[in-house]
Amino acid sequence: QMQLVESGGGLVKPGGSLRLSCAASGFTFSDYYMSWIRQAPGKGLEWISYIGSGGSPIFYADSVKGRFTISRDNSKNSLYLQINSLRAEDTAMYFCARARIVLAAKMIDSWGQGTLVTVSS
Amino acid sequence: DIVMTQSPDSLAVSLGERATINCKSSQSVLYSSNNKNYLAWYQQKPGQPAKLLIYWASTRESGVPDRFSGSGSETDFTLTISSLQAEDVALYYCQQYYNTPPTFGGGTKVEIK
Repeated sequence: QMQLVESGGGLVKPGGSLRLSCAASGFTFSDYYMSWIRQAPGKGLEWISYIGSGGSPIFYADSVKGRFTISRDNSKNSLYLQINSLRAEDTAMYFCARARIVLAAKMIDSWGQGTLVTVSS
Repeated sequence: DIVMTQSPDSLAVSLGERATINCKSSQSVLYSSNNKNYLAWYQQKPGQPAKLLIYWASTRESGVPDRFSGSGSETDFTLTISSLQAEDVALYYCQQYYNTPPTFGGGTKVEIK
């Protein structure tokens, strides 16, 4: 059974940093694109970033470009998101997701349960 | 970015009755070279990972009950639950994967009347 388990969330002050992790199991991690998606309290889903199966290519949403860095370690079946210069508007549940590549499209087909990031002084 | 607009925000349906959710995209998500609509539907229950229900606008993911169906093309799409069950209470989202960034609708909350 495939599983994605996020960790690393917490309460952080504005301007601070966090590193989120996602542990993957039950599938061949190195075969898939991976993604981070977030959901602010009471708001909709916002895609943040993709990373290719081998570590490239990488794409970011304009709203996080320059502050967020996605990476992966295929030897550890793990995905990461480094978040710097945190702002109140970054407060959200952060989801790790797997993307299936079909007909040149990146289709998100599995999600983790999320890890909560709260930015507050 | 492609804007996805869902309606209604919420709906209450009696057990066994039909639930219909609409999704409209700000531009076509139909890729003419393969005649595929790059549109997916997800179900999100509290405390559980979101689940892919439908992709290519109308293809059910493996294991999804056949009471869930998707239809539509280009800019207008519908998710139908033909006979609502108690376990279908959830938030439902549409999402386009026609281009990057992928974008989601605002969600529809389905409840039992």
